[in-house]
Amino acid sequence: DTEVTQTPKHLVMGMTNKKSLKCEQHMGHRAMYWYKQKAKKPPELMFVYSYEKLSINESVPSRFSPECPNSSLLNLHLHALQPEDSALYLCASSRLTGDEQYFGPGTRLTVT
Amino acid sequence: GEDVEQSLFLSVREGDSSVINCTYTDSSSTYLYWYKQEPGAGLQLLTYIFSNMDMKQDQRLTVLLNKKDKHLSLRIADTQTGDSAIYFCAESNFNKFYFGSGTKLNVKP
Repeated sequence: DTEVTQTPKHLVMGMTNKKSLKCEQHMGHRAMYWYKQKAKKPPELMFVYSYEKLSINESVPSRFSPECPNSSLLNLHLHALQPEDSALYLCASSRLTGDEQYFGPGTRLTVT
Repeated sequence: GEDVEQSLFLSVREGDSSVINCTYTDSSSTYLYWYKQEPGAGLQLLTYIFSNMDMKQDQRLTVLLNKKDKHLSLRIADTQTGDSAIYFCAESNFNKFYFGSGTKLNVKP
């Protein structure tokens, strides 16, 4: 099983809302990632967690707040987003950092 | 970051072979990957090759690696309409992946 699940599939939120994106994997992977992907562009790395600890933050604005409650779950908390934050948000996991990454289907986020 | 480059578009007829090319800059990359992304979906890992290998074959897919020229290619034999998608190459370096810009493959019936 190489499945990474993400919820919700679609999310529409206003600029004053608070919402969370969720990601789950049961492959025993110890590295998890958040990416942002705009249309017709490659994914851009946002955060890397290794053994439930944040190891890389690619200078992401503080309105995006990641959380890794346990080795299977990864959340991305959203607050006071801007319309330009509208994108596909992809979660991925790998056995360890540097190994092949398995991606979830993504959450399509629209900020109004 | 590292530079990973791909041509943007490729159009082939059903049944032909497709060859998608990629160049990268980091000679210390340990693995190189090919991912497929269909519209509105996540990235699907197709195959990967260790940097000390020249070739890897997996059913209809053949990956060729020229480490001297830092050139990676993905050949899809007997291309089908279901292969229409965007294909990303990626290199891994320590904790990060560096993705190419993606090649949109259009397969005409």
